[in-house]
Amino acid sequence: EAGVVQSPRYKIIEKKQPVAFWCNPISGHNTLYWYLQNLGQGPELLIRYENEEAVDDSQLPKDRFSAERLKGVDSTLKIQPAELGDSAVYLCASSPHRAYNEQFFGPGTRLTVL
Amino acid sequence: GENVEQHPSTLSVQEGDSAVIKCTYSDSASNYFPWYKQELGKGPQLIIDIRSNVGEKKDQRIAVTLNKTAKHFSLHITETQPEDSAVYFCAAQYNFNKFYFGSGTKLNVKP
Repeated sequence: EAGVVQSPRYKIIEKKQPVAFWCNPISGHNTLYWYLQNLGQGPELLIRYENEEAVDDSQLPKDRFSAERLKGVDSTLKIQPAELGDSAVYLCASSPHRAYNEQFFGPGTRLTVL
Repeated sequence: GENVEQHPSTLSVQEGDSAVIKCTYSDSASNYFPWYKQELGKGPQLIIDIRSNVGEKKDQRIAVTLNKTAKHFSLHITETQPEDSAVYFCAAQYNFNKFYFGSGTKLNVKP
């Protein structure tokens, strides 16, 4: 069974540029998470989807971040415009459904904003 | 919301020794406590978990203990091996499906 796929793995951009990250969860997983992981820190939730519905986006900085999960499968996280402080690893995780505790993480996208 | 604190931030042990990592949480409503191992360039991977109605759980060389009264839980790794070297994160599930992570412990097992 394929795991959670994320692309790109690495991205370097200049500040004020837009950037997008893509996540393909494990087949059949209804719950999808986007996390932000700063260097030397644990993951912090940005947004959680149940199918195509964003059920928890309280930690998403909505002035510059947006996300979508069309058709309840793949998801895209976008930053526009990027700031220096956005440099971090962006992790995607999925879970079969909301009552299933275990999360399966992808390898992450390391973003560097210059 | 929940607050999870994790100690130590770094831990160095000799191969074969035991390693213990401790976490505390703030909200008594948290009911599920997973531990993740993260290797360089990879996402976190679940290694063991415990629910609030259980005090201890063991899986081969790895064990987790939970003290609900004191609101702390610990990861125990026995007979450490070089391949155990990684960053370990504890987490607490609060308010159904919302996870709060500790800041991580970098474990170095010296051969």
